This record gives sequence, C-alpha cells and structure tokens, in this order.
Amino acid sequence: GENVEQHPSTLSVQEGDSAVIKCTYSDSASNYFPWYKQELGKGPQLIIDIRSNVGEKKDQRIAVTLNKTAKHFSLHITETQPEDSAVYFCAASTAGSARQLTFGSGTQLTVLP
Amino acid sequence: DVKVTQSSRYLVKRTGEKVFLECVQDMDHENMFWYRQDPGLGLRLIYFSYDVKMKEKGDIPEGYSVSREKKERFSLILESASTNQTSMYLCASRRNLNQETQYFGPGTRLLVL
Repeated sequence: GENVEQHPSTLSVQEGDSAVIKCTYSDSASNYFPWYKQELGKGPQLIIDIRSNVGEKKDQRIAVTLNKTAKHFSLHITETQPEDSAVYFCAASTAGSARQLTFGSGTQLTVLP
Repeated sequence: DVKVTQSSRYLVKRTGEKVFLECVQDMDHENMFWYRQDPGLGLRLIYFSYDVKMKEKGDIPEGYSVSREKKERFSLILESASTNQTSMYLCASRRNLNQETQYFGPGTRLLVL
C-alpha cells in the first residue's frame, strides 16, 4: 500500500518568514495530494490540494508543489502569521483505492511573534 | 457548510468496557470514515463506509467494529476497550467516491484506564 513520509515533525519560524513542509510518497499510482490543517481542539481541514497533472498550485499565501518523478510534494507558506500555527498533514490517494487517503505523520508549525 | 459532529469531546472508560463513539454528518454524504490520531503516526484509517449498511476495513481495524444503519450516522464500537486504544478518534465524511475532500469532526479524545 501507499506510504507517506512527512518532514519535519516540528517547525518554528518567525512571523513574516516562510515555512516549507515536505512529503514523499511511495505509490507511483497516487494522483491526488491534499494538505490539511488542524488547529488546536479542532478536526483537520483541507487548505489546498494538487492533482498529478499539475506541478504547482497557489492560493494566496500558500502553495503546493509536486514532483512526480521524485515522488515528493511540498507545502509552502509565505509571510507566516500567528494564526498559521497548527499541525499540518499531507496525504496521498489513488483513484483505484476508493480514493482513501494515506496521511503523513504531521508537522507542528509554530509561528513566533 | 458541512458539519460533522461527534457525540463526545472527551471520554474516560475502563479496560474491558464496551465503548460507542458516534458521528453524525448533516450534508447527505455517502461516505464516512473513522480514523485514530496518535502523535508521530498521523491519521490512520480504522474503517470506512461507502453507504448505509456498507463497511470496509481500513489499515487498523483490529479491536474495532462499526455500524451504519442510517446515512447520516456512523458509529465506532470498541467491543472490549484496552489501554492501547487510548487515542484521539476522528470521524470524517465525503460526498461520494467521485469527490476527494473529506470533512472532519472535532474529534473524541478517549482515555482507557
């Protein structure tokens, strides 16, 4: 089955700096890669996703890049703000697996004021 | 907005007790999921349900069962709770197999003593 590895497990940045979280996946058939943000006391919420036919996607301060050859994808957050502090999960899914998501282990991002 | 609710935010049970975790979604979604979240392990799929009365095992079904008698409700059952089932349990729903976005509830933190 699919295996998703996520790094780093914790990340601290100064407010205004950029943050990058990286994930690798094992199944070359995976074709959908979402990122979820989990704030304290809440369930994860989708913030951005990318499909395998696209190399990069942006939504305001967040962007995701995908390298299919290397089987890795990354989340980029620019101009970080205190409200970006949360746990971020990457995931991967394959159309043939009923689109089940395999999640990474999570990254605790802390934005220091 | 999609709303996924879970019956309890915190639950304390004794070893050997039968435990029911309830999840309700209000958007007529066909698919529902139960995950457990543990530090350093991300979200792991316990069971999912394509539709009413349908269920499929996920990656870690041992020690759990599920019930989906109505479309909006998906229950996770721990037949005989054990201390290694102490965890955060997250429920999610998804419109159908053609959609990827999963919507999560706030989670139930279960402590088994």
